[in-house]
Amino acid sequence: QLQLQESGSGLVKPSQTLSLTCAVSGGSISGDYSWSWVRQPPGKGLEWIGYIFLSGNTYYNPSLRSRVTISMDRSKNQFSLGLRSVTAADAAVYYCVRSEKDNFYDWGQGTLVTVSS
Amino acid sequence: DIQMTQSPSSLSASVGDRVTITCRASQDIIKYLNWYQQKPQKPPKLLIFAASTLQSGVPSRFSGSGSGTDFTLTISSLQPEDFATYYCQQSYTTPLTFGPGTKVEI
Repeated sequence: QLQLQESGSGLVKPSQTLSLTCAVSGGSISGDYSWSWVRQPPGKGLEWIGYIFLSGNTYYNPSLRSRVTISMDRSKNQFSLGLRSVTAADAAVYYCVRSEKDNFYDWGQGTLVTVSS
Repeated sequence: DIQMTQSPSSLSASVGDRVTITCRASQDIIKYLNWYQQKPQKPPKLLIFAASTLQSGVPSRFSGSGSGTDFTLTISSLQPEDFATYYCQQSYTTPLTFGPGTKVEI
């Protein structure tokens, strides 16, 4: 059973960079999947941030593209999210997800990121 | 971007009721439509993909239908564990987008 676990900075100051990592266990990150980040502001809906493939190719939501980087470390079986120049609008629960054919199959439990000085 | 809408935004129902939720896409997405269930403080769970294919382990009381721009999620006999928020998501093209959700309440 594939498991994903987010970790990283839960409190980020405005204008700084949010950094999260997703550790994958119970399976290899080197499968024929994409690895996504999805976020959900408190009490609101879901927003796809982007994903990365084993090839290293990345696809980002245009609404965030200028500030987002998703990377992968196959040796550690994990992938990461960086979001620059955060504002209060970036406060959310961030989920890492295994996706396949653009369907979101396996989700981490999510990690709450607060933006505050 | 493809905009997804859902109706209703919330509904009240009782155990045993038949519940139908509608999702509409702003353009033709063929059958590239998924449904998720989310309970409070939990991540979403994939219920149905490709408009009508039940994900493994999902009870058969859940079903999906539709194509093009109009889709439906039906719960044939609502169970206590089905009270949750349901989201549709188009997988036709990036950026992948979700509907705003439908909250199913008692």
